[in-house]
Amino acid sequence: QVQLQESGPGLVKPSQTLSLTCTVSGGSVSNELYFWNWIRQPAGKGLEWIGRVYPTGVTNYNPSLKSRVTISLDKSKSQFSLRLSSVTAADTAVYYCVRKSGRGQFDSWGQGALVTVSS
Amino acid sequence: IQMTQSPSSLSASVGDRVTITCQASQDISTYLNWYQQKPGKAPKLLIYGASNLETGVPSRFSGSGSGTDFTFTISSLQAEDVATYYCQHCDSLPYTFGQGTRLE
Repeated sequence: QVQLQESGPGLVKPSQTLSLTCTVSGGSVSNELYFWNWIRQPAGKGLEWIGRVYPTGVTNYNPSLKSRVTISLDKSKSQFSLRLSSVTAADTAVYYCVRKSGRGQFDSWGQGALVTVSS
Repeated sequence: IQMTQSPSSLSASVGDRVTITCQASQDISTYLNWYQQKPGKAPKLLIYGASNLETGVPSRFSGSGSGTDFTFTISSLQAEDVATYYCQHCDSLPYTFGQGTRLE
């Protein structure tokens, strides 16, 4: 049973860079059956797909965030990471790392990490 | 692709049949998934490919539809089904979710 766990600072200052890491256990990030994703959810609001990375290192991002997002993969540590630059209060949200399976479904989720952007 | 769910909230009783609809702004075939999210928890996959029940999910949950119009049904509501439900398309990037239906 694959498990995903987010880690990183819970508080980021405006204009700085948000950085989160997802550690995957019980499965391999090298498995080419899956994509590894980040999804966020502001308090009381809906879900927004941020982007994904494939085991080959290929990435895709939501156009609404593309200029500020970088997702990367570290196979040796079984981790993938999110960097979001120039953050504002609007980036305050719970950030989830998520596995996507073959038919496009998000079948395994981390517990979520609350990141607050505030000075 | 915009996903529009309705209703945004609904109230029902144990044993009721509950139906939620999701409409896509363009044809997405059956590239549609449904999730359940309880307060303070991550979403959980219930239905994928519009009508396929995820392993371990009770059979009272079902989905149907194709193209632009989809339906999610709980055949007999249980107390533990109180949650917010989201549809999500996976036809093309960027993936998007419906705004959610809060079930009370």
